[in-house]
Parts: sequence; structure tokens; C-alpha cells
Amino acid sequence: DGGITQSPKYLFRKEGQNVTLSCEQNLNHDAMYWYRQDPGQGLRLIYYSQIVNDFQKGDIAEGYSVSREKKESFPLTVTSAQKNPTAFYLCASRGQGYNSPLHFGNGTRLTVT
Amino acid sequence: AQTVTQSQPEMSVQEAETVTLSCTYDTSESDYYLFWYKQPPSRQMILVIRQEAYKQQNATENRFSVNFQKAAKSFSLKISDSQLGDAAMYFCAYSSSTGANSKLTFGKGITLSVRP
Repeated sequence: DGGITQSPKYLFRKEGQNVTLSCEQNLNHDAMYWYRQDPGQGLRLIYYSQIVNDFQKGDIAEGYSVSREKKESFPLTVTSAQKNPTAFYLCASRGQGYNSPLHFGNGTRLTVT
Repeated sequence: AQTVTQSQPEMSVQEAETVTLSCTYDTSESDYYLFWYKQPPSRQMILVIRQEAYKQQNATENRFSVNFQKAAKSFSLKISDSQLGDAAMYFCAYSSSTGANSKLTFGKGITLSVRP
């Protein structure tokens, strides 16, 4: 079955370390997205990519970086510059057309201490 | 920029009763898509229903239906015959028609509890 895989489910890091969250999809979708979820904040867009080797900043891109070298993969790096990195991170992909819904992965809970 | 507002952070409903979750949005576009997503305790995001702005008929999916009021920029979700499994956080989302793969803008969500 097609879907989106995020790994790991839980991730722990020490403050000051960079950490990379994995996101892989086999839905053949061109567009991929990273959202951050905090209590009471809903889903906020970090970065998105509409095609390989191209990506755009979302609403809260500071302290994050991404790459899109393959259609199937869109890893997110949380850098030490991100002031409040502890959160739940959701990756999603989307087919063609604005009527297409987002397909989400199961998320990664990142805890930085 | 488009904004989505879900003003009620929490709601509660008795099992088998009907509940309506509110959502308003702000946009200058005439064509767009609206979505409701459900996030149960597992935190998996599940599409509940979607509505195209050009369609006057309200979308329906089994026990879930929407009340889409384009002029008022309102997109509420009605859940009929509520079940314990409906307990979750619900997010309203807006998709612009600009661009082939436009981003979705989400509201802050509403937590729905179902009383047995």
C-alpha cells in the first residue's frame, strides 16, 4: 500500500545538536510538506517542496533546513538555531490539483533537553 | 494571506447526539477548497470531508456533513449520531486555487469529547 513513512516515532536530542527527521513517500506525489504541531497552535507550515531540487519556506522556517534530492524523500533538519525544537512534527504529501487532500505520515515526536 | 479560525478550543457531545464544529476563514479568492481533518489520540491525521467553493451543494460523508456558507466564509462540520470513536481533535483547512500544489492553511483545531 502507498503511504508516507516518518521515522523515528520518538526522537531525543541534547540541546545544541542538529537532528534530522526522515520522511519517505511512495505515492508518487510531487509536493511534500513539513508541519509542526504544538498544543493550542494547530499545524504550522515549516517548509514545502513542489518539485525535486526546489523548496520554499513556510510560516516558521527559522532554525530548520530541508533538502529534496529525490521525489520520494523530504528530510527535515532541526538545527541548534531553533529556539524551541521540542514538538510533534508531521510530514505530508499531496497529489496534483488544489482539490487534492494532504496525506500525512504518523509523525515524529522530538524532545530536546 | 489566508487565515483559518476555529474559535472554540473544546466541545463536548453526548453519544448518539449531533454536534457542530465551527470554522471561519478569510480569503479574497473566489475558488478554493476546504477540508476537515480528524486527529485521534494516535495523532494520525485523517481526512474527514472536503468542499469545493464553487459547489453550492454541501458535502456529505456518512454521518459527517458540512454547512458551507460562502458569503459568510463559514465552513462548519456537523457530526450526527456521535460515537465514542469520534472523540478527537478536528482541524479545518483551506487550500488556495493558486498553483498546482498549493499549501494548506490550518486552523488551531478543536478538541471534541464524546460522553457515553
